[in-house]
Amino acid sequence: KNQVEQSPQSLIILEGKNCTLQCNYTVSPFSNLRWYKQDTGRGPVSLTIMTFSENTKSNGRYTATLDADTKQSSLHITASQLSDSASYICVVTSGGGADGLTFGKGTHLIIQP
Amino acid sequence: DSGVTQTPKHLITATGQRVTLRCSPRSGDLSVYWYQQSLDQGLQFLIQYYNGEERAKGNILERFSAQQFPDLHSELNLSSLELGDSALYFCASSMHRGSLLGYTFGSGTRLTVV
Repeated sequence: KNQVEQSPQSLIILEGKNCTLQCNYTVSPFSNLRWYKQDTGRGPVSLTIMTFSENTKSNGRYTATLDADTKQSSLHITASQLSDSASYICVVTSGGGADGLTFGKGTHLIIQP
Repeated sequence: DSGVTQTPKHLITATGQRVTLRCSPRSGDLSVYWYQQSLDQGLQFLIQYYNGEERAKGNILERFSAQQFPDLHSELNLSSLELGDSALYFCASSMHRGSLLGYTFGSGTRLTVV
């Protein structure tokens, strides 16, 4: 069964600090991996999307990495800001159909001043 | 504003009732996807429509149904509501049949069944 596990479940850090969120997956075949940011009560917004051949991708202060051999991805947030407080969801795609997406439950990140 | 419009934003209704959630996709997008997000749960794919036709089906209950109209807006109908149906319901849209290139989510409808 395809699964996406994210850790930690929740994380609290001080403003200005860096943090790294983890995503492990057992999805086959693999098409791509995406990280979404979801503010409370809002829809998810795409941060990065990586295919099998990409090891790293950045979007401002967000940097995602992918190790397709170990089936692991991480999302690193640099110099955190209060607006980074949100849930971060890892999504792995297997094939092109909507039913080929496997969602993680997300990491709930809180940035404290 | 993502360009995907969902109405209403909030809905409170009683058990046993029926509700309709509406979604207007981004301009130019032909695919509409419906997702359910319960408390502390990941997004669960319900159903996808592409240009008016059902394209893919996920974990959608028989009490739920959806359709996409000629103007490409979509409606999700939830009937015989139970307390466990309380959740955020998201609509997403994409230009193509598939989701490889990603899609855009709306802000969701929060359904509370009391």
